Amino acid sequence: EAQVTQNPRYLITVTGKKLTVTCSQNMNHEYMSWYRQDPGLGLRQIYYSMNVEVTDKGDVPEGYKVSRKEKRNFPLILESPSPNQTSLYFCASSLSVGGQNNVLTFGAGSRLTVL
Amino acid sequence: GQSLEQPSEVTAVEGAIVQINCTYQTSGFYGLSWYQQHDGGAPTFLSYNALDGLEETGRFSSFLSRSDSYGYLLLQELQMKDSASYFCAVLNQAGTALIFGKGTTLSVSS
Repeated sequence: EAQVTQNPRYLITVTGKKLTVTCSQNMNHEYMSWYRQDPGLGLRQIYYSMNVEVTDKGDVPEGYKVSRKEKRNFPLILESPSPNQTSLYFCASSLSVGGQNNVLTFGAGSRLTVL
Repeated sequence: GQSLEQPSEVTAVEGAIVQINCTYQTSGFYGLSWYQQHDGGAPTFLSYNALDGLEETGRFSSFLSRSDSYGYLLLQELQMKDSASYFCAVLNQAGTALIFGKGTTLSVSS
């Protein structure tokens, strides 16, 4: 089944404790992206990766890191989480990002709470 | 930059027709997309309009008018399972991200 898999789905952690949210897709997609979703603010892009050679910041990258060592994986790293990073996180992928190919497939989401 | 405006809430009854509007401002336009998100779930792709006119997919249709920077999603024969949030989205100017509207919550009652 074609899908984007994120883990963990739910996580409660404390301020400053490094964590990684994994994301993997099995569709051979070039483009991958992370979004966070907060009430009243909608979906905002954190980081994106056009392919394994190109990764760049989105609209809200502060406090996050990513890596794209291989096409299928795009982990999101919170080096020192803070309470304002409490949110619902979505990983998404698509063949590319332009034209008819900008159909994003989203993972199921990771709900993160930072105390 | 880009901005999208859509109503925050819409209510309707089963069997009815509802239209969710979206107006956008963008420096470069590559098409308008619509996504559905059920409570607690992931957004899922519904439709994409690159050119003016109506695109129909079953009970759902999407319309675009590039001259008016306007589009809408039309849901017919509403069912309870259509209760969800609906987001319109456009590519940013750099072509690196889909920018989403804040979403319209549709509540369908019996």
